[in-house]
Amino acid sequence: EPEVTQTPSHQVTQMGQEVILRCVPISNHLYFYWYRQILGQKVEFLVSFYNNEISEKSEIFDDQFSVERPDGSNFTLKIRSTKLEDSAMYFCASSDGDRGNFEQYFGPGTRLTVT
Amino acid sequence: AQKVTQAQTEISVVEKEDVTLDCVYETRDTTYYLFWYKQPPSGELVFLIRRNSFDEQNEISGRYSWNFQKSTSSFNFTITASQVVDSAVYFCALHQGSGAGSYQLTFGKGTKLSVIP
Repeated sequence: EPEVTQTPSHQVTQMGQEVILRCVPISNHLYFYWYRQILGQKVEFLVSFYNNEISEKSEIFDDQFSVERPDGSNFTLKIRSTKLEDSAMYFCASSDGDRGNFEQYFGPGTRLTVT
Repeated sequence: AQKVTQAQTEISVVEKEDVTLDCVYETRDTTYYLFWYKQPPSGELVFLIRRNSFDEQNEISGRYSWNFQKSTSSFNFTITASQVVDSAVYFCALHQGSGAGSYQLTFGKGTKLSVIP
């Protein structure tokens, strides 16, 4: 069964460093998303991406964040200068977006630890 | 604005008991979709069910059943004869229909279910 994959599973970085989190969505899906979950809290939407551009973003997704689909398979989230409060689990998701089919399938997550 | 409320933070049940997880939502849209996701201790988010706002028929899938009631804006989830493997955090989520151009999921805070052997 097709699935969303994410690498790395765990990333440790120092405050102020840039990190890139990688995702490979399900191959025939058209919509891509990033969410984050601070430990013990709810899952929060960051950004959605469709047709090679951001379609929606939350207040969390400030200028420190960017997303890119550099090729036909990868979808990346970059944090330019990490802060301690960026420590969280980051989930990538994808959906095919056909009428009536909006299930978002999530990857296993990347745990980002900023020290 | 959308909002999802899961009032139960933690529930503990003994194996084989039935348990219902509550979810109440708020939205101004007439078209919307409701979801349940399971997050086991390993951390991944597992899709369980989707319901659209036009379909109030309840659904049963094995030991799982869902009760969607628009009149009370609730979408409750029942596990019958609970098992230890059901121990997880369960999230209820909502998004607007495509007409609103928004696909972001709004999650509740989750209910941590512990099934004790």
